[in-house]
Amino acid sequence: DVKVTQSSRYLVKRTGEKVFLECVQDMDHENMFWYRQDPGLGLRLIYFSYDVKMKEKGDIPEGYSVSREKKERFSLILESASTNQTSMYLCASSLEGLGHGNTGELFFGEGSRLTVL
Amino acid sequence: AQSVTQLGSHVSVSEGALVLLRCNYSSSVPPYLFWYVQYPNQGLQLLLKYTTGATLVKGINGFEAEFKKSETSFHLTKPSAHMSDAAEYFCAVSSYSGGYQKVTFGTGTKLQVIP
Repeated sequence: DVKVTQSSRYLVKRTGEKVFLECVQDMDHENMFWYRQDPGLGLRLIYFSYDVKMKEKGDIPEGYSVSREKKERFSLILESASTNQTSMYLCASSLEGLGHGNTGELFFGEGSRLTVL
Repeated sequence: AQSVTQLGSHVSVSEGALVLLRCNYSSSVPPYLFWYVQYPNQGLQLLLKYTTGATLVKGINGFEAEFKKSETSFHLTKPSAHMSDAAEYFCAVSSYSGGYQKVTFGTGTKLQVIP
């Protein structure tokens, strides 16, 4: 069964702390994504990566960075956490390119709920 | 640019009643359309998807959706609601632009099922 694993389900951090959210997928997918989910706003794309060591900004990259050193792992980094980054963070992966059965379907992890005090 | 609009952030239905969740999209290229479901404190999972071909798509748990190009809609329906259908539902559009996959989500609709 395909799987996207987020290392921490619940985190509580203090303002100014550095936060790492880890995501690992076992499907050999090229694309990986980090979304932020807030009530009434749906899912908003923070960053995505289409290959190892490659990254692209999404719609709301400010205050975040990412790292993809290996194909299966995509990390989201909050250099200095702030209270407005309290949210649910969702990692997802997908196959690259159209055709060959790839439709852009995303496979999601269980989410990491971050509270910044 | 592409966008998704879900009408109604909260929908309540009685158990056994018809479920109708509305989704309209805009896209400059032929889109792939999805409905995802999220149960409390979980990630999203695919309910159904439209790629090409038949415009009426059947998914898991008795849900289906119809792609109507002329109306730019992809509404989700289920003939008879069950208590276990209570969840949040997200409509999404996927396309490729500039060599990258772009997925845009609606703001979600929370479905409440009343016994």
